Amino acid sequence: DQQVKQNSPSLSVQEGRISILNCDYTNSMFDYFLWYKKYPAEGPTFLISISSIKDKNEDGRFTVFLNKSAKHLSLHIVPSQPGDSAVYFCAASVAGTYKYIFGTGTRLKVLA
Amino acid sequence: KAGVTQTPRYLIKTRGQQVTLSCSPISGHRSVSWYQQTPGQGLQFLFEYFSETQRNKGNFPGRFSGRQFSNSRSEMNVSTLELGDSALYLCASSLAGTGRGYGYTFGSGTRLTVV
Repeated sequence: DQQVKQNSPSLSVQEGRISILNCDYTNSMFDYFLWYKKYPAEGPTFLISISSIKDKNEDGRFTVFLNKSAKHLSLHIVPSQPGDSAVYFCAASVAGTYKYIFGTGTRLKVLA
Repeated sequence: KAGVTQTPRYLIKTRGQQVTLSCSPISGHRSVSWYQQTPGQGLQFLFEYFSETQRNKGNFPGRFSGRQFSNSRSEMNVSTLELGDSALYLCASSLAGTGRGYGYTFGSGTRLTVV
């Protein structure tokens, strides 16, 4: 039972444009949502997170939006750069625990 | 500041054997988590330790176990290896008490191949 889903395995975007990565979840007991970026042969790197009591969090070029009614979150990268090409994972923490459920990832390719 | 160090980087084992993987967290980090990554499954949570105590556990069989030492270093063990255990095993550490929205720092992983 995949509680966190990233339905797009891959995405290609032109440099300078906006990249939008999506994530859906099913468990209402998640209280934090996080995005990680992963390059080949490296571990995931934490990017940005959002609490379930908020609907938006911004950090530089990265903005995460949370729509609780739709159980949907998205990561916006503006402007996209070739160095952003990586696999992006969304993750959710089960309330009151340090257990994180990860999606299967979306491979982003930013074209120069 | 050194990152999360996992050893070994690569490992080949035979079915039925057991294996121990090691993780040294970032200095000062007391929470250590382990994940299994396989193609198509993403990262699957194995367990999380804090101050030598397992606080959370994922849905893996009892063949998967772990422990944490007083210096926060952690090991995970897989007994009676199966072909399906072939995966990248990732360790991650975090400062305890910083809140669960601050994310973990991951190591580069140990690639286990079971033949």
